[in-house]
Amino acid sequence: AQTVTQSQPEMSVQEAETVTLSCTYDTSENNYYLFWYKQPPSRQMILVIRQEAYKQQNATENRFSVNFQKAAKSFSLKISDSQLGDTAMYFCAFMRVSGNTPLVFGKGTRLSVIA
Amino acid sequence: DAGVTQSPTHLIKTRGQQVTLRCSPKSGHDTVSWYQQALGQGPQFIFQYYEEEERQRGNFPDRFSGHQFPNYSSELNVNALLLGDSALYLCASSLVSGRGLYEQYFGPGTRLTVT
Repeated sequence: AQTVTQSQPEMSVQEAETVTLSCTYDTSENNYYLFWYKQPPSRQMILVIRQEAYKQQNATENRFSVNFQKAAKSFSLKISDSQLGDTAMYFCAFMRVSGNTPLVFGKGTRLSVIA
Repeated sequence: DAGVTQSPTHLIKTRGQQVTLRCSPKSGHDTVSWYQQALGQGPQFIFQYYEEEERQRGNFPDRFSGHQFPNYSSELNVNALLLGDSALYLCASSLVSGRGLYEQYFGPGTRLTVT
């Protein structure tokens, strides 16, 4: 079974600064997807960024980028130029490639962006 | 293009009662997955429906059941409600591709409170 661990329950960052959220996972699979989801107080789970395990290049989406270390089973999220709207719960999630597979989530990190 | 919708938004039930939650997938999507998110936790996979059949199931008792209709919408039913069933119930839709479920789009959730 796959597990996802987020070791930082809460973090805070000053507006315009950079913050990195950590995620580690455990799997015996070689092909899989990794995701970061954002859940603001409105509860809507929003996809921030995704990474395919077979791609060595780290994914980037505007101010969001990841550091994917496959051998270390590490998948951290970096948010640059933090904005007040980034305040939310952030969940790291894993999904196997083979077949119809569900997402396996970590427990989340609560990020507060301070003005 | 309508995203994933869920109803109702909030629900309060008494222990022992039964509840039905509803989900309409994003236009063009044929697969619906249900997740339970307890307070302060990451979502946990309940089950997934595709072609009107339950395809995968997480570690949830038989009190949790579901259905998918020909228009791909889905229901989640919970019988004999327990206090521990209080949670946010999330529906996610996706389109099955040859490489498996690549991205799931989430609805805003239904907050169930059992008293």
